Amino acid sequence: GQNIDQPTEMTATEGAIVQINCTYQTSGFNGLFWYQQHAGEAPTFLSYNVLDGLEEKGRFSSFLSRSKGYSYLLLKELQMKDSASYLCASATGANNLFFGTGTRLTVIP
Amino acid sequence: DADVTQTPRNRITKTGKRIMLECSQTKGHDRMYWYRQDPGLGLQLIYYSFDVKDINKGEISDGYSVSRQAQAKFSLSLESAIPNQTALYFCATSDAFGGAPDTQYFGPGTRLTVL
Repeated sequence: GQNIDQPTEMTATEGAIVQINCTYQTSGFNGLFWYQQHAGEAPTFLSYNVLDGLEEKGRFSSFLSRSKGYSYLLLKELQMKDSASYLCASATGANNLFFGTGTRLTVIP
Repeated sequence: DADVTQTPRNRITKTGKRIMLECSQTKGHDRMYWYRQDPGLGLQLIYYSFDVKDINKGEISDGYSVSRQAQAKFSLSLESAIPNQTALYFCATSDAFGGAPDTQYFGPGTRLTVL
């Protein structure tokens, strides 16, 4: 079966750092994706991890531990435009994604 | 122009009506997907297609059907719409990349309301 857990909501201050956690149980696990989705808009790709460790991409970094079934998305130097939902998705098989319910991040001044 | 387009963007219909949602892409990708998104729930896969002759059911295919008319076009039909099919529907595409998953690119979504 498939299961993904991530917090429903988080609030952080502009300029700060926030870490969004995701735990997963996935049959045939083949990597972990993070997407950003602004309200009413399409999800957009942020990162993909298949090996253990940290992937850094500008202000965003993503970490994966396959043995622990755990990932996190780290957002640095938060900006107001980072207020959005962040979707954790596990890849199964060749290319299907199983999505979590998303974490709604609110950045406050 | 957008790489993945969906029509219509908004639709209000009545229970029992047949509805078709259309998706077109100019990315040249072989793989296409239909998802629905409900408030408080994750994206749920309805159907997916890895090429023109390939159609597969996803997690929640009951009450839906699809047609892959060409590499670039993938349509979702609700044969007899019901109120609990009210949701935001997304089409997505991805390239084939051996056995590894590839990034999915999403269209802007269709907001469907069934009264």
